[in-house]
Amino acid sequence: QVQLVQSGAEVKKPGASVKVSCKASGYTFTSYDINWVRQATGQGLEWMGWMNPNTGYAQKFQGRVTMTRDTSISTAYMELGSLTSEDTAVYYCARVLSGGWSDEWGQGTLVTVSS
Amino acid sequence: DIQMTQSPSSLSASLGDRVTITCRASQRISSYLNWYQQKVGKDPKLLIYAVSSLQSGVPSRFSGSGSGTDFTLTISSLQPEDFATYYCQQSYSTPWTFGQGTKVEIK
Repeated sequence: QVQLVQSGAEVKKPGASVKVSCKASGYTFTSYDINWVRQATGQGLEWMGWMNPNTGYAQKFQGRVTMTRDTSISTAYMELGSLTSEDTAVYYCARVLSGGWSDEWGQGTLVTVSS
Repeated sequence: DIQMTQSPSSLSASLGDRVTITCRASQRISSYLNWYQQKVGKDPKLLIYAVSSLQSGVPSRFSGSGSGTDFTLTISSLQPEDFATYYCQQSYSTPWTFGQGTKVEIK
């Protein structure tokens, strides 16, 4: 079955960077885009960007986020730099179908930014 | 950016109730409107895509409708497992924005 398995929780200091991985299985990795979405505690969902391998980032994260992938191991990555406490959130990867909806999601990765 | 506004932000309902959640886009988004369900501590689950297409495995009590800028998610008879937060999302143009969510609680 289709699965997206993300890397474990991270604790980072302000100003640092974090790189979250998302390993796909059960489907042809290169045939689908990957979205990254984040959710601060008690808040809604915020779209960060997509990759296929072209990338498109939300303006809010431009210059601070990099999305990449390694097709040899069916893994997508999202790196976010210059972290602040506002970046404390659960980060999700999700498989994207042609119409832009996400039918499979990773389990989420909690990133905590704290001094 | 296209703004998505859901109403209500929360609602209380009883088992068996018919529940309707609305989502309004700040501009026309054709049929690029999707609905997700999220339970506490879990990842979102796709319910409805392209306004009214039911995702595989989703019970038929869920339905979607609408066009242009105004869309609706309906649960025909609320079940215990439906208590969750529901989000609409537009995939018409990036950034693919979400509504703020509607929390469905037990009355």
